[in-house]
Amino acid sequence: GDSVTQMEGPVTLSEEAFLTINCTYTATGYPSLFWYVQYPGEGLQLLLKATKADDKGSNKGFEATYRKETTSFHLEKGSVQVSDSAVYFCALFTSGTYKYIFGTGTRLKVLA
Amino acid sequence: DAGVTQSPTHLIKTRGQQVTLRCSPKSGHDTVSWYQQALGQGPQFIFQYYEEEERQRGNFPDRFSGHQFPNYSSELNVNALLLGDSALYLCASSSPGQRNTEAFFGQGTRLTVV
Repeated sequence: GDSVTQMEGPVTLSEEAFLTINCTYTATGYPSLFWYVQYPGEGLQLLLKATKADDKGSNKGFEATYRKETTSFHLEKGSVQVSDSAVYFCALFTSGTYKYIFGTGTRLKVLA
Repeated sequence: DAGVTQSPTHLIKTRGQQVTLRCSPKSGHDTVSWYQQALGQGPQFIFQYYEEEERQRGNFPDRFSGHQFPNYSSELNVNALLLGDSALYLCASSSPGQRNTEAFFGQGTRLTVV
């Protein structure tokens, strides 16, 4: 079945460091790919998305490119801030399945 | 726009009891999905409701049931609660008219079973 694999956390970085969180997927169809963020005690917020191969999603300095050849959707940010500390979830959605498949999440902690 | 709203925000129940969680979708959305997020895990799909019927179900026992009302709001019911049902329950709404539809999530209901 469809699945999403994320790098294990926690990831601890200093402010202004470069961030990469790896995400790979397995899907039988042509999924859309998403990154969601969850701040402590809150629900999920959509961070960015890409709906087809080679699309780049971007928001708030974060970006990720849909790579069909490597089945990956790695999240990057050039300079993280303390306020970016949260749990990040990679997810896929395939039309006709009606559901999201999430990775297990990667906790990011940014130190001042 | 109020977005997706869930109630209650927190709930404590005893093993064997029954619980009902509620969700109001984002304005203009007619599809509601429920997810269970155990501590330290990603959300797991429970089921989805569209046109007041369960359209798809994940790998959850029949103790988990739901309902969708004509105004598109939804309830999640869990019977015979187990300690393992303790989790954050997330509601997501979407509009199926879009091919690669984006779901909007509520803040969740934190259920603790003691």
